[in-house]
Amino acid sequence: ELKVEQNPLFLSMQEGKNYTIYCNYSTTSDRLYWYRQDPGKSLESLFVLLSNGAVKQEGRLMASLDTKARLSTLHITAAVHDLSATYFCAVDLDNDMRFGAGTRLTVKP
Amino acid sequence: DAGVTQSPTHLIKTRGQHVTLRCSPISGHKSVSWYQQVLGQGPQFIFQYYEKEERGRGNFPDRFSARQFPNYSSELNVNALLLGDSALYLCASSLSPGFSYGYTFGSGTRLTVV
Repeated sequence: ELKVEQNPLFLSMQEGKNYTIYCNYSTTSDRLYWYRQDPGKSLESLFVLLSNGAVKQEGRLMASLDTKARLSTLHITAAVHDLSATYFCAVDLDNDMRFGAGTRLTVKP
Repeated sequence: DAGVTQSPTHLIKTRGQHVTLRCSPISGHKSVSWYQQVLGQGPQFIFQYYEKEERGRGNFPDRFSARQFPNYSSELNVNALLLGDSALYLCASSLSPGFSYGYTFGSGTRLTVV
């Protein structure tokens, strides 16, 4: 059974600091997604990673995928308050997309 | 261009009742998936439909059913509601299952069972 594990589950950062969120998954897949969710809102697509070694960057966020290690990372550079949200990784197996439990990020001044 | 639209946005039902949730995908998208998100957890996959056929089903009881119409819109039905069915129900659409640009999610239906 596919399992997707994120860590940490809770992350409190100061503005200007860097940090990495990790997403491990248990079965072979070459499609991994990162989503952002604000409280009470739906999911916003951040990154789609489709192959081993894929790296994508948008603003202060950078995501990477290592399919051999079954690991994806979401790196936050110089965090700002607007990045406070819950971040989910999800692994796509065509007919079934499994989400991690989410990382609740709080960025403090 | 309209995104994924879901209705209703909020719903309160009593235990034992039945509920129907609706989803209209982005124009041109033929795949619709349903997810249940309990407060504080990640979304859980319920169903995926593509070209009006069920392509995948998550680990949910038979009280949950869905269908996709010729215009690619979809309904999720839940019978004999339980308190534990209270959740945010999300619909996502894509051109096809596993499409490389991923899935676009609607704003969700917040279901409260009392």
